[in-house]
Amino acid sequence: SAVISQKPSRDICQRGTSLTIQCQVDSQVTMMFWYRQQPGQSLTLIATANQGSEATYESGFVIDKFPISRPNLTFSTLTVSNMSPEDSSIYLCSGGQGIHYEQYFGPGTRLTVT
Amino acid sequence: KNQVEQSPQSLIILEGKNCTLQCNYTVSPFSNLRWYKQDTGRGPVSLTIMTFSENTKSNGRYTATLDADTKQSSLHITASQLSDSASYICVVSAYGGSQGNLIFGKGTKLSVKP
Repeated sequence: SAVISQKPSRDICQRGTSLTIQCQVDSQVTMMFWYRQQPGQSLTLIATANQGSEATYESGFVIDKFPISRPNLTFSTLTVSNMSPEDSSIYLCSGGQGIHYEQYFGPGTRLTVT
Repeated sequence: KNQVEQSPQSLIILEGKNCTLQCNYTVSPFSNLRWYKQDTGRGPVSLTIMTFSENTKSNGRYTATLDADTKQSSLHITASQLSDSASYICVVSAYGGSQGNLIFGKGTKLSVKP
């Protein structure tokens, strides 16, 4: 199994600013993912964080808005850029040995944009 | 179109009672099906993961079933406890694309009352 931590756990940000969320895994994982969860909704995949290369984004999400880094097998960051109130959500990181294997989720970062 | 539908949307039961949550999917090609428990303000935690050939899998008081022919799964909770209050999310893993993908249901929100 893997234990995943995220920082910050929550934040309140002003419109137009950016926030970087950190995700740390306690063991090496092949794949890391970033999700968004709107209140009362299920998870929506933003992108797959690839080590040493550009992230793979899902439809509706772009690199300019959600730049992602993954410098090694245990760490990744997601930046929410030029925020608007519509970006208020919970952002979750997950990791695993592959898409068809067990995935472990972080506790999430609750973002409120005012 | 790959979809995962869960029912009921929400459920209230008394402590000590049993309950069953349903998941229907139209996902192809199928890899596996997972049930996650998500406490409020937390990330999802895996309960079970089942492949095509598995009909039943248990994890303590949680028992998941899978009927790959009818594309249905259920999660049965026995002797419910207050701590079972959470959202239960059905997730199906599909082959396809460069890495495959996970299709999330919207979850069933379970409330266990004393």
